[in-house]
Amino acid sequence: GQNIDQPTEMTATEGAIVQINCTYQTSGFNGLFWYQQHAGEAPTFLSYNVLDGLEEKGRFSSFLSRSKGYSYLLLKELQMKDSASYLCAVVDSNYQLIWGAGTKLIIKP
Amino acid sequence: SQTIHQWPATLVQPVGSPLSLECTVEGTSNPNLYWYRQAAGRGLQLLFYSVGIGQISSEVPQNLSASRPQDRQFILSSKKLLLSDSGFYLCAWSFNNRDTGELFFGEGSRLTVL
Repeated sequence: GQNIDQPTEMTATEGAIVQINCTYQTSGFNGLFWYQQHAGEAPTFLSYNVLDGLEEKGRFSSFLSRSKGYSYLLLKELQMKDSASYLCAVVDSNYQLIWGAGTKLIIKP
Repeated sequence: SQTIHQWPATLVQPVGSPLSLECTVEGTSNPNLYWYRQAAGRGLQLLFYSVGIGQISSEVPQNLSASRPQDRQFILSSKKLLLSDSGFYLCAWSFNNRDTGELFFGEGSRLTVL
């Protein structure tokens, strides 16, 4: 079966750095997405990785290791508005998106 | 620019009543369209997707159905709602010429079946 694992919940302090991990076992791999979803709202795109390495975009960075079936989302200089759920999704060999359950990130002052 | 809208935003329905959620996309042609359901603490579950008018693929057998009467219109329906149909429903679109394209989501519809 196909599986995406990410922690259910994480807590961090405003101004700090947090890393949200995602591991996957899927039938093939054609890329990995990270989405941000505030409570009661629709997910919004954060990043897309298809090759190994780190992609940096402002305060957010995403890393991929295809050989390890592993990705992480790194959030720097945390702000209260970063409190949200972060969804990891993998594109499988049929170009279907397989979604993780999401990681709820709580930011404390 | 492209936009996507779905409605209603919130719906409270009794068990056994019908359902109709609508979604429209503007600013692009022949998009791929999707209906997802999100239960609390769980990942997004793909319900239906469509690559063109009248072309609907169902991912999960259930009492829901979808239709695409126009290129940029996607409708999620049910003849008789079940309690288990409660959840957060999301419509989404992607470019049809990009295999690994980003999904753009509508605002979501919160359905509570009582």
